[in-house]
Amino acid sequence: EAGVAQSPRYKIIEKRQSVAFWCNPISGHATLYWYQQILGQGPKLLIQFQNNGVVDDSQLPKDRFSAERLKGVDSTLKIQPAKLEDSAVYLCASSLVGSGGYTFGSGTRLTVV
Amino acid sequence: GQNIDQPTEMTATEGAIVQINCTYQTSGFNGLFWYQQHAGEAPTFLSYNVLDGLEEKGRFSSFLSRSKGYSYLLLKELQMKDSASYLCAVSSDGGKLIFGQGTELSVKP
Repeated sequence: EAGVAQSPRYKIIEKRQSVAFWCNPISGHATLYWYQQILGQGPKLLIQFQNNGVVDDSQLPKDRFSAERLKGVDSTLKIQPAKLEDSAVYLCASSLVGSGGYTFGSGTRLTVV
Repeated sequence: GQNIDQPTEMTATEGAIVQINCTYQTSGFNGLFWYQQHAGEAPTFLSYNVLDGLEEKGRFSSFLSRSKGYSYLLLKELQMKDSASYLCAVSSDGGKLIFGQGTELSVKP
């Protein structure tokens, strides 16, 4: 089966600019996650979707981050405006409901200068 | 709160055995995962434990004790390519995956 697709692979922006990341999960996976992984740390959950509804966005900095999953398939994560501390890898993952099997995409490496 | 602890880094010799420990305190428990992550790459699945005991898969084994909130990953016959970060993660409330900080393993010749 095709994996979780993410784009772009790399992005460099200046602080205060905006940026968007895209994720296409594995077909049929109802649950989609966005994680932020800062260098040297484990991934931190930003937001969890089930179909097109938000299950958990308690750790999403909502003043600058937003995410949507229209039609319950693809998802976009946006940062506006970006700060230096947003430099990280943004990982998208998907899973079947209740299966425990999570598949990660290759991630988008964001550098804010 | 949610807390997952694992050592920051470990070093071992090629051909040896290494054990990476993980302790956790989470609200809800639907299983514990171990992932391997090479630098610049996405995490890849290694093992999953939901019941107490040992799961063996080739050179890799994982153990879980739910009463102690404890797991370990055992790597045998270490190879240079095993140098990577090893992430302990718990499937918590609502199925979300909570990660530890990762253990950076260096395998020396």
